[in-house]
Amino acid sequence: NAGVTQTPKFQVLKTGQSMTLQCAQDMNHEYMSWYRQDPGMGLRLIHYSVGAGITDQGEVPNGYNVSRSTTEDFPLRLLSAAPSQTSVYFCASSYAPGLAERGTGELFFGEGSRLTVL
Amino acid sequence: GENVEQHPSTLSVQEGDSAVIKCTYSDSASNYFPWYKQELGKGSQLIIDIRSNVGEKKDQRIAVTLNKTAKHFSLHITETQPEDSAVYFCAAGGTSYGKLTFGQGTILTVHP
Repeated sequence: NAGVTQTPKFQVLKTGQSMTLQCAQDMNHEYMSWYRQDPGMGLRLIHYSVGAGITDQGEVPNGYNVSRSTTEDFPLRLLSAAPSQTSVYFCASSYAPGLAERGTGELFFGEGSRLTVL
Repeated sequence: GENVEQHPSTLSVQEGDSAVIKCTYSDSASNYFPWYKQELGKGSQLIIDIRSNVGEKKDQRIAVTLNKTAKHFSLHITETQPEDSAVYFCAAGGTSYGKLTFGQGTILTVHP
């Protein structure tokens, strides 16, 4: 099984450029999410989706857009990149995270996408 | 919202020693507390989790304890090995479907 696949692994952008980070999972998970990881700040939730057609904001959503047209894919869009968006981005999926009554709650992470905005 | 504080930020131990990482959380309604391990260049993987109806859980050399009254939980690794070297994240959740709040991470280095 491929699990969670993220592309690209590395990207350099100039301020103001746009791009999309791709995320795909083959485990039929209903939940998918995007986190950014910055030194000393841990993993911070950007956006998440609890199923196709349903998205919601996390802790740090500004400057990012998402959509969920299929169960498998959850792309993250940067409309106008800023240096503050330089980070490592992780996509994660789960049957049902953090909800004791449903499933194990285990998050499966991709290997990350390192983005640098100049 | 939930706030999770994790300490220490770095931890260095000798092979065979024990390592302890501590986390505190703010939302008394949180009921799910997982720990994730991130190896260099990889995504994080769940290593152990605990729910609010138990105080301790063990899995071989790894254990997690939870004190709901004090709102803190800890990861204990015994007989550490060099392959335990990684970044460890604690998290808290369960109050709202889809939201898990992570701590700042601990860089654990186990010296042979």
